[in-house]
Amino acid sequence: AQKITQTQPGMFVQEKEAVTLDCTYDTSDPSYGLFWYKQPSSGEMIFLIYQGSYDQQNATEGRYSLNFQKARKSANLVISASQLGDSAMYFCAMREEGGSNDYKLSFGAGTTVTVRA
Amino acid sequence: DTGVSQDPRHKITKRGQNVTFRCDPISEHNRLYWYRQTLGQGPEFLTYFQNEAQLEKSRLLSDRFSAERPKGSFSTLEIQRTEQGDSAMYLCASSLASLTEAFFGQGTRLTVV
Repeated sequence: AQKITQTQPGMFVQEKEAVTLDCTYDTSDPSYGLFWYKQPSSGEMIFLIYQGSYDQQNATEGRYSLNFQKARKSANLVISASQLGDSAMYFCAMREEGGSNDYKLSFGAGTTVTVRA
Repeated sequence: DTGVSQDPRHKITKRGQNVTFRCDPISEHNRLYWYRQTLGQGPEFLTYFQNEAQLEKSRLLSDRFSAERPKGSFSTLEIQRTEQGDSAMYLCASSLASLTEAFFGQGTRLTVV
């Protein structure tokens, strides 16, 4: 079964506007972590933001915020004030932390974001 | 540069040849991971080391694949008798412990012709 679902293959956003990237996940483990990574055309996966399943508040890192809705199993990434350099592929990932697989990341298929000037 | 580095960045090889990739993790990180990413997909887990011990291999890793991490520092991933289906980006990542983010290298893009 797919653990991470990203339903938006591609999105366009105007420079300086905000964009929301959807991510839903599936796990029965009560302890897990959710990650967002950015992958520009150069190939490197750049860590953006982390949300733990027990965190009470939504994670924020600069222009990135994670809209965590635990009951809906949703972990959407919001990028505010988009910049041209934000054009990249974005991946949502999950690590189930309660058992012996606490090292393995499961990734979604990704969403391509293109920022227009 | 103190990030994860991978070498080579690109490799083109003929079907049937052997290839070896190297990953140098962030120096204090004891955990090292290999992932494979095919076009248009997210990375898929291949294998994981804690220090020099290889603790898990994915079923994606056929017998033609072998990974090592001697002395718990750099790691190598070797693919023997390459096939066209091996064409992918091979990503290495490292972390300090399970409850922190993994830092990725820029990957090695393999093309088997």
